[in-house]
Amino acid sequence: DAGITQSPRHKVTETGTPVTLRCHQTENHRYMYWYRQDPGHGLRLIHYSYGVKDTDKGEVSDGYSVSRSKTEDFLLTLESATSSQTSVYFCAISEPVDNTEAFFGQGTRLTVV
Amino acid sequence: ELKVEQNPLFLSMQEGKNYTIYCNYSTTSDRLYWYRQDPGKSLESLFVLLSNGAVKQEGRLMASLDTKARLSTLHITAAVHDLSATYFCAVDAGNTPLVFGKGTRLSVIA
Repeated sequence: DAGITQSPRHKVTETGTPVTLRCHQTENHRYMYWYRQDPGHGLRLIHYSYGVKDTDKGEVSDGYSVSRSKTEDFLLTLESATSSQTSVYFCAISEPVDNTEAFFGQGTRLTVV
Repeated sequence: ELKVEQNPLFLSMQEGKNYTIYCNYSTTSDRLYWYRQDPGKSLESLFVLLSNGAVKQEGRLMASLDTKARLSTLHITAAVHDLSATYFCAVDAGNTPLVFGKGTRLSVIA
């Protein structure tokens, strides 16, 4: 299994509070991604990173920010959580030069009350 | 903008029957991936298709890629209950992140 760990696995938070989710990899892959999964929407890209300090927005980036100060860590921050951000969040990693697929973390279930 | 469409989105099939899930995409790509997701779990890689005409098989599942038609298929042969899951295709258009289809929720019934 690819070495990718998400923390926390479950979190309940109140509306308006900041929340940070962490993704940690041990594979030295260049690309890291944050997706959210909601019923009827499949997986939607929030932000991604193609190297340390190199990040870009995905299709649903509003209300989210990311940081990647080290190859192995990719942080997703909800600056002021809203109920619409209740979702399951998946981190993924990939290394395009390897011609392999993206590998996914176990997911974080976030509930905003 | 790359768009990926899967159909059907829901599929209920009897054990022992055959069926095909389709994945169409809108821009040129020769890299496509199939994933499986069980309820409450993460995504597990099934197949990596990296060229036109690629065909991969694992057990009762077979995936193929036609880059000219921008179409991939996931064929299920003689379905069994253990295949019940949600299946996603994902397309890599090069220098952009993977774009996923909405998934096909497969239910195999006796």
